[in-house]
Parts: sequence; structure tokens; C-alpha cells
Amino acid sequence: LAKTTQPISMDSYEGQEVNITCSHNNIATNDYITWYQQFPSQGPRFIIQGYKTKVTNEVASLFIPADRKSSTLSLPRVSLSDTAVYYCLVGSVSNTGNQFYFGTGTSLTVIP
Amino acid sequence: KAGVTQTPRYLIKTRGQQVTLSCSPISGHRSVSWYQQTPGQGLQFLFEYFSETQRNKGNFPGRFSGRQFSNSRSEMNVSTLELGDSALYLCASSFAPQGEQETQYFGPGTRLLVL
Repeated sequence: LAKTTQPISMDSYEGQEVNITCSHNNIATNDYITWYQQFPSQGPRFIIQGYKTKVTNEVASLFIPADRKSSTLSLPRVSLSDTAVYYCLVGSVSNTGNQFYFGTGTSLTVIP
Repeated sequence: KAGVTQTPRYLIKTRGQQVTLSCSPISGHRSVSWYQQTPGQGLQFLFEYFSETQRNKGNFPGRFSGRQFSNSRSEMNVSTLELGDSALYLCASSFAPQGEQETQYFGPGTRLLVL
């Protein structure tokens, strides 16, 4: 199960684009990447998921290079309400149940 | 669709007692996973249930157990509570297609305080 490494914390000003990079050097061929957002005392909220190249939805983009040893979550024009902890997960596909590993997460603080 | 629900939301117990937490997954989801979150250890996987069977298990002592019912609802039980069991317990559900990517959706959690 591939472990993930993320920066412990980041600060950003309101309105800026924020990029959070996650390293997963031991990612296996069938593994995929998922990002979650978590506010204090709440459950993690799904943001985006991908396997390779680029994925975009209404809230974020996920960039995965060809070697897939890292991935970058991009949040466009952050606001104060984006202050939260962001987790990068690698999921391992298995017929006996997919497995997930949560890293330490990145605490993002958006400054006015 | 309603999201994942967990009951109770808050709980206070004393050492030595036992506790049962409940999770109702999103309708149609077949897999339920449980996680423990503490400031020191972060989010740690406890176990996963699929079709009423425990399919995966994390590295927790036998005091932590769970089960899943035929309607996919799940319960987890912690016996002989210790102070260190104070945590946010999170339940996540997914459709769990065989051999494919899946997305877990989390409930709001149950905050357990052991005194």
C-alpha cells in the first residue's frame, strides 16, 4: 500500500491559486489517487479522484505526471472557507476490497 | 440521496465501559469502512465490511469489532474502553465495484470522549 507524503501546512491569500503536491513514490500500477477536504470535527469531503494525466471538476483540478509518483491538487481562487486540511489518498484496487492509506494531510490556511 | 449518517454524534463514557456506534451508508452502497481519527495518529483505518463480512482490517486490538447487517448498515463496538480511545470515529461508505476504483463518502463522525 503506497504511503503518501504531503507538506504539513501551507498559507495562501484569498483569490490566489493553491497547489498542494503529494508524493507517492511506491504507487502500483492499479493504484489511484483521491483527495479529500476536512474541516474540524467533520468527516472528510471528497474533492477529486484520478488515475493519470489531468482531471478537472467544478471545484478543483488534479494533475498526475506520467510516472505517477506524485500528484498535485490545484484549487483556483481560494476563499477563506477553503481553510481546511487536505488529504491525499492512494487507493489500491483489489477484488477482495480496495484499501486506502491516509497520510498526515496538509493544513491550508487562507489569509484575507 | 441522503449522505452517510452516524449516531450518536457525541458520546461520553468512562474507562472500562463499552460503546456501540452506528452507521447508515448511502443508499445502494455495499461497503462500509470505519476509521479512527486522533490528533496524534491522524486518520487510521479500523476495518471494512462488505456483504455482512469483514473484508479488510487495520492494526487495532480485538477490543474493536464491528458488524454489518443485510441492509448494509454497520455498527462498531469498542469494549473495555481506555482513555486513548477518545477520538472521532468516522464511517465511510462506497458502492465498491469489484476490481475498480471506488470513492468513499464519509459521515459526520461520532465524537467519543472516555473519562
